[in-house]
Formats: sequence, C-alpha cells, structure tokens
Amino acid sequence: DSGVTQTPKHLITATGQRVTLRCSPRSGDLSVYWYQQSLDQGLQFLIQYYNGEERAKGNILERFSAQQFPDLHSELNLSSLELGDSALYFCARTPEGNQPQHFGDGTRLSIL
Amino acid sequence: DAKTTQPNSMESNEEEPVHLPCNHSTISGTDYIHWYRQLPSQGPEYVIHGLTSNVNNRMASLAIAEDRKSSTLILHRATLRDAAVYYCILREDNQGGKLIFGQGTELSVKP
Repeated sequence: DSGVTQTPKHLITATGQRVTLRCSPRSGDLSVYWYQQSLDQGLQFLIQYYNGEERAKGNILERFSAQQFPDLHSELNLSSLELGDSALYFCARTPEGNQPQHFGDGTRLSIL
Repeated sequence: DAKTTQPNSMESNEEEPVHLPCNHSTISGTDYIHWYRQLPSQGPEYVIHGLTSNVNNRMASLAIAEDRKSSTLILHRATLRDAAVYYCILREDNQGGKLIFGQGTELSVKP
C-alpha cells in the first residue's frame, strides 16, 4: 500500500474537454507531486505542492493547473485537451520534501 | 539536473543475483542517488537511496563507487516479480525533492 489514492483510475474524454484528477495522500503527508507518463516522453515531473503552496514546477503546460487543499488532497486540472495529453498521470507523496516518494497507481487518461 | 546513464535492458535468471549499473559522472556533492522501479501497470516504487556509503535494505543493496561517479543496484536473488524498469535518479536535497526520470533499465527475469 503506497498510501496514495488516485481517482478515477481510467478517464476517457474528447479533445477540447476539461478533466480533474484527484490525489489523496495519507494523512499528514505535506508534499504532493504530479507526474505524467507518456509513451514518447517517459515519466516527467509536472508540479509539486507542499502544505498547500506550490513548491516546484516542471514541464507543466499552461493548459494544466493544480492545487492542494487544506486537507492536503490535490487536484490536477487539464483543460483544452489534445490527443497528445493521453497518458498516465501519477501522484506521489512524502511526509517531508526530502524523503522517498510513494506513488499511487495512476489515472489513465485517454483522449479520443 | 545531473544526468544518469543506464543500459536499456538486462536479463537475469531467477534466483540469481542481479547487478544493475548506473553512471552519473556529473554528480554533485549534494546529490543523493535514488533507485525506483516500475512494475507493469503500476506506479514507480521506491527501492533504495544513498549518498556516499553502501546501503542495504530488505529489497536490495546499493553499492556506490568511491568517487560517486557510478553506482550499482544489487538484487541478491532475482524473482519473477522483480521484472520491471529500474530507474537510477540523482536528487538534490534543496530542490523540493522532484524526481527526474531517465529511460531506466528494463530487467527481465527468466525462470
């Protein structure tokens, strides 16, 4: 058990649409990270939140945004979806930023 | 971000030791060496990490070269469940803990 719950597990939608992916870390885990895994780009870091504040930003498109709520769950919002956004999206948690990360099972997003 | 170099793939026989190499010649003094693996249809899983000294845990051992320019992940007895992509990652403590994944080594284990 990684201590990270991601919902939904699968999401199928169309181009131009908007979706929200949810990540619920274990209680007390302050850091949440989002990663994207696609066939051509591999695993890429998108963004990190620490205790509600954005801590680090990676290769995240402007069409994507994220936030972390007071209960420490996080949401990744993807808008104006394109075919190339089809990928696995992973959330990871740590109690503190420098400890090993524990990943959820991901949300598989398919754009038709 | 400092880069790592790993072989694309390796093969092992079940119940034999496996040594997965990683080169990181541009490693800086504050970089920790992390290993993660990703089993099919799962998220990455933390395996082990270290700074300078060799490390052991229930999953594996990490051997770090004296100059820190290379390291080796050692699985003492490979099982079929160890078939996965293994990632060697350098992580700076002061950069928010983000992980920069390379292509990794795909390990296959033969019965």
